[in-house]
Amino acid sequence: EVQLLESGGGLVQPGGSLRLSCAASGFTFSNHAMSWVRRVPGKGLEWVSAISGSGASTYYADSVKGRFTISRDNSKNTLYLQMNSLRAEDTAVYFCATGYRGTTSAMSFDYWGQGTLVTVSS
Amino acid sequence: EIVLTQSPGTLSLSPGERATLSCRASQSVSSSYLAWYQQKPGQAPRLLIYGASSRATGIPDRFSGSGSGTDFTLTISRLEPEDFAVYYCQQYGNSPGTFGPGTKVDFK
Repeated sequence: EVQLLESGGGLVQPGGSLRLSCAASGFTFSNHAMSWVRRVPGKGLEWVSAISGSGASTYYADSVKGRFTISRDNSKNTLYLQMNSLRAEDTAVYFCATGYRGTTSAMSFDYWGQGTLVTVSS
Repeated sequence: EIVLTQSPGTLSLSPGERATLSCRASQSVSSSYLAWYQQKPGQAPRLLIYGASSRATGIPDRFSGSGSGTDFTLTISRLEPEDFAVYYCQQYGNSPGTFGPGTKVDFK
């Protein structure tokens, strides 16, 4: 059974940093591109970032480019999102997700974690 | 990037009624790479439909998708109590993949 478990969310001040993790199990992690998707309160879902199975290719939404960094450790079956220079508008529930169809930066998502809440506020 | 709009914003219906949700793209979606998700409060999104009309594993046949190009539809033939939720469309034919703003199906 595929399982994705996020951690690392919390309350952080504007301008601060946070690192999210997503522990994966139940599938061959290194064979799958992975993404971060967020749900912003009062709004909808927004794709944030994606990384290829090998980690060689990374992609970012314009809203986070230059501030967020996606990475993975295939030996630990873990996905990461380093978030720097956080803003109030980054407040959201962050999900890690993966699937089988499409490309690394444009894929449908069969599997989702339960999400971790990031709140950016002073 | 492709912008998706969904209508209506809210759909108020009763159990047993038919729900018709619309998703329109700002440009043609390649290969009908259009997906639909259901999300309930406090839960992760759940994939319902991919490729515009193919049901994901375990999805009941009361859910159906149709459309191509720029216009897509999700139909729930007879609403069950567990179907009241927010529904999002997503295109994954052009990079980056993008989501629509969602349609909330609530109780009339």
